[in-house]
Amino acid sequence: KQEVTQIPAALSVPEGENLVLNCSFTDSAIYNLQWFRQDPGKGLTSLLLIQSSQREQTSGRLNASLDKSSGRSTLYIAASQPGDSATYLCAVKGNQAGTALIFGKGTTLSVSS
Amino acid sequence: DAGVIQSPRHEVTEMGQEVTLRCKPISGHNSLFWYRQTMMRGLELLIYFNNNVPIDDSGMPEDRFSAKMPNASFSTLKIQPSEPRDSAVYFCASSLGTPGTGELFFGEGSRLTVL
Repeated sequence: KQEVTQIPAALSVPEGENLVLNCSFTDSAIYNLQWFRQDPGKGLTSLLLIQSSQREQTSGRLNASLDKSSGRSTLYIAASQPGDSATYLCAVKGNQAGTALIFGKGTTLSVSS
Repeated sequence: DAGVIQSPRHEVTEMGQEVTLRCKPISGHNSLFWYRQTMMRGLELLIYFNNNVPIDDSGMPEDRFSAKMPNASFSTLKIQPSEPRDSAVYFCASSLGTPGTGELFFGEGSRLTVL
């Protein structure tokens, strides 16, 4: 059974710092991996989707990498801003047909000004 | 597009009462998912549909939970009878294509409190 782990559970950084959020998964037979952002009291917003054949995806100040063989993904946030404060979740989809996304519990990021 | 629409946003009920949560997916999306989020367990997949057909309901915790998708634009999640441990935020999400292959769009969630 696929398990997704995100460490640390919480992270506090000063504004302007570059930071890395980690995601690990137990079964490397994945179809894709997605990173989401969740603001308090809100739903999840998709940030980046990496197909299993890709190594990384970039969107603005965000860069997500994928190392399938080691079961790891990282989300790099450059020049962090207070508006980046939120919970970031990663989710993986297995290769088997009909499987849905399995989520980690997330990392809650706080960026202070 | 208005995005995934869920109702009600908040529901407070007493133990034993029936609860019905509703979801309207994004028009054109053919996969629909129900998730439950709690502090302890995080985001758990309850059930998902593809082309209105339930594909996997192994995440539904008990027979008290049931979900339907009578057409492509509407789904319900029902809890009967409700219990305090059902208190959580219930999310509906939709995507295009087979489950998990496309970008997933979430609703704002329905926060359920069972007293």
